[in-house]
Amino acid sequence: NAGVMQNPRHLVRRRGQEARLRCSPMKGHSHVYWYRQLPEEGLKFMVYLQKENIIDESGMPKERFSAEFPKEGPSILRIQQVVRGDSAAYFCASSPSGGAKDTQYFGPGTRLTVL
Amino acid sequence: AQSVTQLDSQVPVFEEAPVELRCNYSSSVSVYLFWYVQYPNQGLQLLLKYLSGSTLVESINGFEAEFNKSQTSFHLRKPSVHISDTAEYFCAINAGGTSYGKLTFGQGTILTVHP
Repeated sequence: NAGVMQNPRHLVRRRGQEARLRCSPMKGHSHVYWYRQLPEEGLKFMVYLQKENIIDESGMPKERFSAEFPKEGPSILRIQQVVRGDSAAYFCASSPSGGAKDTQYFGPGTRLTVL
Repeated sequence: AQSVTQLDSQVPVFEEAPVELRCNYSSSVSVYLFWYVQYPNQGLQLLLKYLSGSTLVESINGFEAEFNKSQTSFHLRKPSVHISDTAEYFCAINAGGTSYGKLTFGQGTILTVHP
């Protein structure tokens, strides 16, 4: 059973460009979470999605960031007009039922560098 | 709101020595507690979790953590560490309810085991 897949593993963008980060959850998991890890900090929750629905986006910046989890295909975290402060590691996690007791399984992350 | 504090950002120890990584949390509701480990350039892996029952939980590789409700702590211990335990360790909580599966993480503790 393959784990959580994220691609690309490393992404370099210039200021003002768009970044698209993809996450394929574990087989059988329909709940996806995105977290951001800034340098020298722990992971911060960004958004929680189920198939075709955003359940909780309380951690998403109000502008430039969006996320989706379509019926078919991976979850996408999209950052428009990137700025240097967006440089971070972005981790996706999935779980089978979305419950508070569930173990979340993490992908290897996408390390975004904004020049 | 919930928060997690890991009191030590870095813990250096010698091989075969005991180690304790400290974690305190703050929450107005009951929480579930987790320890995750992150090896360099990898995603997070669950080490152990406390959901209910016995306050002492153990992992398969010799780590253990004890939930102390009165002190709101969930410290991680290992009686004898190995070089391979070198990694960053994150304490996390999930308050359930409207928090769904959202994890709140501490800042992380880098454990470095020296020969």
